[in-house]
Amino acid sequence: AQSVTQLDSHVSVSEGTPVLLRCNYSSSYSPSLFWYVQHPNKGLQLLLKYTSAATLVKGINGFEAEFKKSETSFHLTKPSAHMSDAAEYFCVVSPRAGNTGKLIFGQGTTLQVKP
Amino acid sequence: ETGVTQTPRHLVMGMTNKKSLKCEQHLGHNAMYWYKQSAKKPLELMFVYNFKEQTENNSVPSRFSPECPNSSHLFLHLHTLQPEDSALYLCASSQDVDSSTDTQYFGPGTRLTVL
Repeated sequence: AQSVTQLDSHVSVSEGTPVLLRCNYSSSYSPSLFWYVQHPNKGLQLLLKYTSAATLVKGINGFEAEFKKSETSFHLTKPSAHMSDAAEYFCVVSPRAGNTGKLIFGQGTTLQVKP
Repeated sequence: ETGVTQTPRHLVMGMTNKKSLKCEQHLGHNAMYWYKQSAKKPLELMFVYNFKEQTENNSVPSRFSPECPNSSHLFLHLHTLQPEDSALYLCASSQDVDSSTDTQYFGPGTRLTVL
């Protein structure tokens, strides 16, 4: 069975400091992994995705994530937080085998950025 | 992001009303999805359509009735809803359902309140 766990429900950082949002997954097969962001009253926007190419994936707005198979992790990072990064972030798994369009979403991490 | 649009953005209805949510995608995709996002819960997949055919019904109560007249439009007909159905309803589309690497693109959602 596939699952995804976001280890922190809430992360608070100061503007200009690094961001780390943690995600662990469980999958019987090599999955595709995504990070989405949701700003208040908006839909989900894709930040980046891993699809078995390079393990370090660069996304929009300076975010990146590293796929670590040995640790079953796909943590999201950004070197310097900006006020506009305050939002809800979702780690998502898409199983490889027998895929029917089903995505498995984590519970979400709320990122607060303090001035 | 205007690739996937949803109307209305906000809807308040009584338990005896009948209303419909509309979703339209301008991306030339073949697959469309309805999700429910409730507070403190992961996104729940409700329905999947591929080339206008329903391929997934995730045990959704019959008071929710989807309709997909073509690959660009998706409706969710609502009748005799319950207060616990209050949530943000998100529509998404992707190129196909059978590729785990496909990105799903989300609309801004309809915020539904059932009184």
